[in-house]
Amino acid sequence: GQNIDQPTEMTATEGAIVQINCTYQTSGFNGLFWYQQHAGEAPTFLSYNVLDGLEEKGRFSSFLSRSKGYSYLLLKELQMKDSASYLCAVRGTDKLIFGTGTRLQVFP
Amino acid sequence: GAGVSQSPSNKVTEKGKDVELRCDPISGHTALYWYRQSLGQGLEFLIYFQGNSAPDKSGLPSDRFSAERTGGSVSTLTIQRTQQEDSAVYLCASSLNGRAAGELFFGEGSRLTVL
Repeated sequence: GQNIDQPTEMTATEGAIVQINCTYQTSGFNGLFWYQQHAGEAPTFLSYNVLDGLEEKGRFSSFLSRSKGYSYLLLKELQMKDSASYLCAVRGTDKLIFGTGTRLQVFP
Repeated sequence: GAGVSQSPSNKVTEKGKDVELRCDPISGHTALYWYRQSLGQGLEFLIYFQGNSAPDKSGLPSDRFSAERTGGSVSTLTIQRTQQEDSAVYLCASSLNGRAAGELFFGEGSRLTVL
């Protein structure tokens, strides 16, 4: 079976750092994606990890440990516009399976 | 436009009616995906196309749901005899070649409301 778990909701303060965790169990593994989705909008791509380690892209970083079935998305210097849902997705043999998403609220 | 285009953007229908949702992927993208997203929920995988063939239909909820893709481009998702639980946003995405690192580009979705 396939299972992807992430926290349902998180809150943080503008300017702070927040880490959103994702654990997964899938049949086959061909990479892990993070997507951002603002309310009422389509998801947009943030990051892709296929090897263990940290990928940094501006204020956003994503980490992967394949042996632990674990990833996190790190958001630094939070801005109000970062309030959105963050979706962890794992590609098995072909299709991309999404978790239920973590709704992040950033407060001033 | 250059992005994934979906129509209609909103559809309200009565229970028992059939609906067709259309997806026009980015030109040249061979892989196409359909997902369903209920209010406040994550994305539920429905079906995946590589070219015109569907290697994985495992996510289709029932035999009322079907999808086809023609010419390696436009795809249509058909829901027959709609039920209230079919109400959701149906999202289409495409990627260049369906390979592992291929980023999915999403359309704005078709919001379906079944009364």
